[in-house]
Amino acid sequence: SYVLTQPPSVSVAPGQTASITCEGINIRSESVHWYQQRPGQAPALVIYFDTRRPSGIPERFSGSSSGSAATLTITRVEAGDEADYYCQVWHSPDDHYVFGSGTRVTVL
Amino acid sequence: QVQLVQSGAEVKEPGASVKISCQTSGYTFTEHFIRWVRQAPGQGLECLGRMNPKTGVTHYAQNFQGRVTMTRDTSIRTAYLELTSLKADDTAVYYCTRGGTSGSFSDAFDVWGQGTMVSV
Repeated sequence: SYVLTQPPSVSVAPGQTASITCEGINIRSESVHWYQQRPGQAPALVIYFDTRRPSGIPERFSGSSSGSAATLTITRVEAGDEADYYCQVWHSPDDHYVFGSGTRVTVL
Repeated sequence: QVQLVQSGAEVKEPGASVKISCQTSGYTFTEHFIRWVRQAPGQGLECLGRMNPKTGVTHYAQNFQGRVTMTRDTSIRTAYLELTSLKADDTAVYYCTRGGTSGSFSDAFDVWGQGTMVSV
């Protein structure tokens, strides 16, 4: 089955930039979505179809995809960005929705 | 605004079944897939499958085939998840989610319910 690999944790100082990678075989041919899950809350969509931001999501959040990894970038990090972040794709060969293992972003 | 409101927490014995509801509002129920996702305590996200609310056609993840049933009542814009033969490792928060606006299988999970805790 298809596997998406994320780093377990990323630490960043306020005001700096956090980058979270999501690796998978031929991921560039997949549509990647990203979700933020704050403690005790349901996940929420922050990036869809690789680069698009839903309404209400700050421009500080951006997505990209190249080679064997997709990346979620958060610029000018704030305390409120501290959360778990998950990437996700629909893997068409086996018609299965796959989530990455998740990355905990800690704001120092 | 778009909302998915789920039924309350459940406590079940091993071997029992659970049925969770997801009442939707703020959009046309039949125009977006409903997918169910679960999260065991301290763990990541796992999708159980999807349902087309317009047709009732379902697709279940292989791990759950034979134990999961997704249904809906279009008259009250509500989707249901039933999981049978419960085991201790089915203990998790179960989320209903809405598929995005393009109507494609590859759409994001764009709106999430608040979650329902199932303890086995």
